[in-house]
Amino acid sequence: NAGVTQTPKFQVLKTGQSMTLQCAQDMNHEYMSWYRQDPGMGLRLIHYSVGAGITDQGEVPNGYNVSRSTTEDFPLRLLSAAPSQTSVYFCASSYSGRSSYNEQFFGPGTRLTVL
Amino acid sequence: GNSVTQMEGPVTLSEEAFLTINCTYTATGYPSLFWYVQYPGEGLQLLLKATKADDKGSNKGFEATYRKETTSFHLEKGSVQVSDSAVYFCALDDDNDMRFGAGTRLTVKP
Repeated sequence: NAGVTQTPKFQVLKTGQSMTLQCAQDMNHEYMSWYRQDPGMGLRLIHYSVGAGITDQGEVPNGYNVSRSTTEDFPLRLLSAAPSQTSVYFCASSYSGRSSYNEQFFGPGTRLTVL
Repeated sequence: GNSVTQMEGPVTLSEEAFLTINCTYTATGYPSLFWYVQYPGEGLQLLLKATKADDKGSNKGFEATYRKETTSFHLEKGSVQVSDSAVYFCALDDDNDMRFGAGTRLTVKP
């Protein structure tokens, strides 16, 4: 049972490049989400999904796309990277769509730098 | 909108000292409240939670009580250890709208 895994751990991009951050969980969790962590600002919700085929925007969705074709995977796509997207990105999952009643399990994070 | 405000750090304590990290929230509904902990180089882990007013969450010697009248969820521990050194985040969840505080870095010295 690997929990929540994220790849890559580190990434450096140039402005305008695109890339996909991978997230997978093996706990059969319905709810998955992406956050970014910036100094002094805590974590901010980018997008979330309450099940396969269902996604919704969080607090800071601009510049990011997501899809949820399977229960296990929830990739985050940056279509045209900008320096403002330099951050640490965390993926999380929990058992059901009502995350209030279920613990969220976090991946180890991806540190992204956009030059 | 929903938001969480927690005391700024960093906080430095000696081993066995008493810890309080203040957290207040603003919410339009009736949120659940959480404390998460992040150890160096790792993701966040749930420390404790409370889902309704007057509930007390507790874990590993840490406690926090959901106070609706003061919109607060302060984290306390009676005797901290060096191993408690980490960043602590207060958070709320109001129907999948998850909000985190900025985090408070705690360092405990032997």
